[in-house]
Amino acid sequence: KQEVTQIPAALSVPEGENLVLNCSFTDSAIYNLQWFRQDPGKGLTSLLLIQSSQREQTSGRLNASLDKSSGRSTLYIAASQPGDSATYLCAVRGNYGQNFVFGPGTRLSVLP
Amino acid sequence: GAGVSQSPSNKVTEKGKDVELRCDPISGHTALYWYRQSLGQGLEFLIYFQGNSAPDKSGLPSDRFSAERTGGSVSTLTIQRTQQEDSAVYLCASGGSPGQGALNEQFFGPGTRLTVL
Repeated sequence: KQEVTQIPAALSVPEGENLVLNCSFTDSAIYNLQWFRQDPGKGLTSLLLIQSSQREQTSGRLNASLDKSSGRSTLYIAASQPGDSATYLCAVRGNYGQNFVFGPGTRLSVLP
Repeated sequence: GAGVSQSPSNKVTEKGKDVELRCDPISGHTALYWYRQSLGQGLEFLIYFQGNSAPDKSGLPSDRFSAERTGGSVSTLTIQRTQQEDSAVYLCASGGSPGQGALNEQFFGPGTRLTVL
């Protein structure tokens, strides 16, 4: 059974810092991995999707990497801004299942 | 274009009553998912529809929960004889446009916040 963990659970940084969020999964037989952000009281917004054959994806100040063999993905946020404050979730879809398994999230606060 | 929509946005009900939650997926998406998120918890998978295939109901917590997807589009999640522990935000997602393959991104709706008194 796939299990997804995220470290740290919460992170507070001053504006302008570069930061890394971590996602680990126990079963490396994945189809893809997706990073989301969730603002308080809102639904999830898709940030980046990495297929199992890819090593990384970039969108603006965000860069997500995937190392299937070690069961890890990282989300790199460059030059953080207060508007980046949210909970960041990673979700993994396995080769044998059609639904995603979500991690518990990292709650990010970027202080002005 | 329009995203995933859900209704109602908030629902307050009394213990023991039945509730129906609606999800309108993005037009053309073949996959539809229901999740729930309890206060301070992660997302819990409930059910998944893909095209005309039999749905994956493996995440439904009890037989009080059921879902339908009519005409491959709109879906309704029904909770019978609601209990206080059913209180959560119920999120719907769709994905898998034709040409992209069926196993790609999920796009989420805003959710329905259910409160069972």
